[in-house]
Amino acid sequence: NAGVTQTPKFQVLKTGQSMTLQCAQDMNHNSMYWYRQDPGMGLRLIYYSASEGTTDKGEVPNGYNVSRLNKREFSLRLESAAPSQTSVYFCASSAPRTAYEQYFGPGTRLTVT
Amino acid sequence: KNQVEQSPQSLIILEGKNCTLQCNYTVSPFSNLRWYKQDTGRGPVSLTIMTFSENTKSNGRYTATLDADTKQSSLHITASQLSDSASYICVVSSNSNSGYALNFGKGTSLLVTP
Repeated sequence: NAGVTQTPKFQVLKTGQSMTLQCAQDMNHNSMYWYRQDPGMGLRLIYYSASEGTTDKGEVPNGYNVSRLNKREFSLRLESAAPSQTSVYFCASSAPRTAYEQYFGPGTRLTVT
Repeated sequence: KNQVEQSPQSLIILEGKNCTLQCNYTVSPFSNLRWYKQDTGRGPVSLTIMTFSENTKSNGRYTATLDADTKQSSLHITASQLSDSASYICVVSSNSNSGYALNFGKGTSLLVTP
């Protein structure tokens, strides 16, 4: 039982490049989330998926797209990376029966130059 | 606007000492409050979760309290260890007609020194 896994762990992009961050969970959770964490800002919600087949914007969705590929996988795509997207990205999942307690992945550290 | 404020921003204590971290919130309607521990370079891990009717909950050397009337919570760490060095994040959930939302504090950075 690996919990929530994320790939890659580290990534460096040049401005304008695109990439997809991958997330998978093996806890059979319905809901999945993408956050970014910046120094002094705390965790901010980018997008979430309440269940397979649905996605909704969070607090800071601009410049990102998501895909809920199936119940296990939720990917985050940067179409044209900008230096302002330099951050640490966390994926999380949760289930209603646990009062929506979220389980976080190890994070992806992204630098855009 | 829903807000979660944590204090202090950072804290340094000697190994073996106790400490208390504070969380004040203005989230409404309140659903539950959680404390997470985040080690450097890792994702947050849940320590405790409390609903409106609970005013204290323990997890080993960690004890969280909740005063729903004053909208304050604290996390008390007893007999600190070097491994307690981490960021501690307070998260308050709300559940309204517009949906379920999590409101994150910015965290308190704790350093335990030998």
